Amino acid sequence: KNEVEQSPQNLTAQEGEFITINCSYSVGISALHWLQQHPGGGIVSLFMLSSGKKKHGRLIATINIQEKHSSLHITASHPRDSAVYICAVRSVGTDKLIFGTGTRLQVFP
Amino acid sequence: GAVVSQHPSRVICKSGTSVKIECRSLDFQATTMFWYRQFPKKSLMLMATSNEGSKATYEQGVEKDKFLINHASLTLSTLTVTSAHPEDSSFYICSAGKREQGTDTQYFGPGTRLTVL
Repeated sequence: KNEVEQSPQNLTAQEGEFITINCSYSVGISALHWLQQHPGGGIVSLFMLSSGKKKHGRLIATINIQEKHSSLHITASHPRDSAVYICAVRSVGTDKLIFGTGTRLQVFP
Repeated sequence: GAVVSQHPSRVICKSGTSVKIECRSLDFQATTMFWYRQFPKKSLMLMATSNEGSKATYEQGVEKDKFLINHASLTLSTLTVTSAHPEDSSFYICSAGKREQGTDTQYFGPGTRLTVL
């Protein structure tokens, strides 16, 4: 079993829909990252969380440390949100990130 | 901001040649730089961690003589794929750690796609 699990693996949506991507992890962490990777390959860091909730534009990320679970929400989704979304955690006491396998999102007009 | 660049973005080379990839933190000094490899439709795999002025720490299974890492300054790390072979074809991504509010945040470069013929 992977230390970081994401669901769903693939997700399709119509423009305007509310989207949720989930991430569960099994190790103690000091931080959790949500990353976005577009088809060209470049990675953008969306959020870094250690507790609670963060919001940036149409994106919201939450984390529940006790349940070892995080969610990434996209409100009013748009075709340009189509990308792979990756959850990554930093284990306590290390600089290294452990990555989930990603969620491939396609938003259709 | 925190911008990380990689050069080149894409390289095609013949088998047996060596390829150097540069990773630069453009507007901050990086505490640590990380090198990742990504196969198609797979997640990132950490290859090595490097700190300025010291030897890189390689992950298990990564050949240090094959993937040479030099971290010459707080803003530049290079990865050299020596005697490249087709199986080295992959997407290579670096990230740089920036100290922010008492913690290190990793900022990722745009990646380098290596194709070995």
